[in-house]
Amino acid sequence: EVQLVDSGGGLVQPGGSLRLSCAASGFMFSGYWMSWVRQAPGKGLEWVAKINPDGSGKNYVDSVKGRFTISRDNAKNSLYLQMNSLRVDDTAVYYCATEASFRFDHWGQGTLVTVSS
Amino acid sequence: QSALTQPPSASGSPGQSVTISCTGPSSYVGGYNYVSWYQQHPGKAPQLMIYEVNKRPSGVPDRFSGSKSGNTASLTVSGLQAEDEADYYCCSYAGNNMVVFGGGTKVTVL
Repeated sequence: EVQLVDSGGGLVQPGGSLRLSCAASGFMFSGYWMSWVRQAPGKGLEWVAKINPDGSGKNYVDSVKGRFTISRDNAKNSLYLQMNSLRVDDTAVYYCATEASFRFDHWGQGTLVTVSS
Repeated sequence: QSALTQPPSASGSPGQSVTISCTGPSSYVGGYNYVSWYQQHPGKAPQLMIYEVNKRPSGVPDRFSGSKSGNTASLTVSGLQAEDEADYYCCSYAGNNMVVFGGGTKVTVL
């Protein structure tokens, strides 16, 4: 059974940093594109970043370019999102998801990031 | 403001059908057949319901169907059931290896 477990969220001040993790199991993690998708409180879904299977290719939504870095460790079956220079409007539940042909088949349970002073 | 436009709400009685539209630029929905739909219940992670316009993943009831005409994709839920009450989001390939989501539609079963 495919399982994605998101962790690392919390309360951080504006300008601060946070690193999210996603632990994967039940499938060949090293063969999949992976993405982070976020959802601000009471709002819709927003794709944030994606990474190819070997970690050499990455894409970001414009609003996080230069501040967020997606990475992965295939030996540990783990996906990461390093978030720097956090802003109030980055407050959201962050989900990791498997991606294939521009669709998201499996999702983590999400981890809440709150940026507030 | 989302790149893809969905109606904020839709409703129907049990057993009826409801159709949700998703309209975007010709370079998004109209340009590719990579349109997917997600169901999200309150406090839960989204679940893939339709991919590549009209394909259903294993385990999704055939009451859910998708279509596309020009720049507008649609999700139809036939034979509405109480458990279909949820938020629904469309998603489309937007070029440059990126995707965009619609703003979401809240479906109410009356």
